[in-house]
Amino acid sequence: QVQLKESGPGLVQPSRTLSLTCTVSGFSLTSYGVSWVRQPPGKGLEWIAAIWSGGSTDYNSALKSRLSISRDTSKSQVLLKMNSLQTEDTAMYFCARSIPALYWGQGVMVTVSS
Amino acid sequence: DIVMTQSPSSLAVSAGETVTINCKSSQSLLYSGNQKNYLAWYQQKPGQSPKLLIYWASTRQSGVPDRFIGSGSGTDFTLTISSVQAEDLAIYYCQQYYDTPYTFGAGTKLELK
Repeated sequence: QVQLKESGPGLVQPSRTLSLTCTVSGFSLTSYGVSWVRQPPGKGLEWIAAIWSGGSTDYNSALKSRLSISRDTSKSQVLLKMNSLQTEDTAMYFCARSIPALYWGQGVMVTVSS
Repeated sequence: DIVMTQSPSSLAVSAGETVTINCKSSQSLLYSGNQKNYLAWYQQKPGQSPKLLIYWASTRQSGVPDRFIGSGSGTDFTLTISSVQAEDLAIYYCQQYYDTPYTFGAGTKLELK
């Protein structure tokens, strides 16, 4: 069955770089795109970035300068890097298959704090 | 960026009532090439990932109860939940996927009266 699982550090210091991994199973990254969506505590959803089946990428324009999304198809992984972290980047980070997203990971909580 | 405006932000209901959630986009989500509206609705319960309810503005995802109805076109969309059940208490989000960034509405919290 289709599964997505996020992994990454729970705590990151301000100004550092966040690296998150989404490991998928049950489908191929060359057949479906994967998006990252985040949700600050008690707040709404924000689409961050996507990598499509052909390898092209799209980014949230407000975050684009700090983001990089890539994939390793041999490992069925999508990687998200966000630099210059601030406290307002504290959020639950989800990966999801395609948009609209039927399949989501459980999310990984990232706290930006010194 | 396309701005998605949802209303109301919260709604207190009794079981069995019919509720309507509105979502307005800052530009049309109707693509003339296929006459489809690029609008989805999600339900999110506390501690859970979002669940896709509706896509193409009115197509119900398989397994979603038929009391969930999506409607609208262009810039104005509605999610109607008829005969609300206790299990429907959640936050509902609309999302446009017409153009990146794929923006969400701020959410509508459905609470028990």
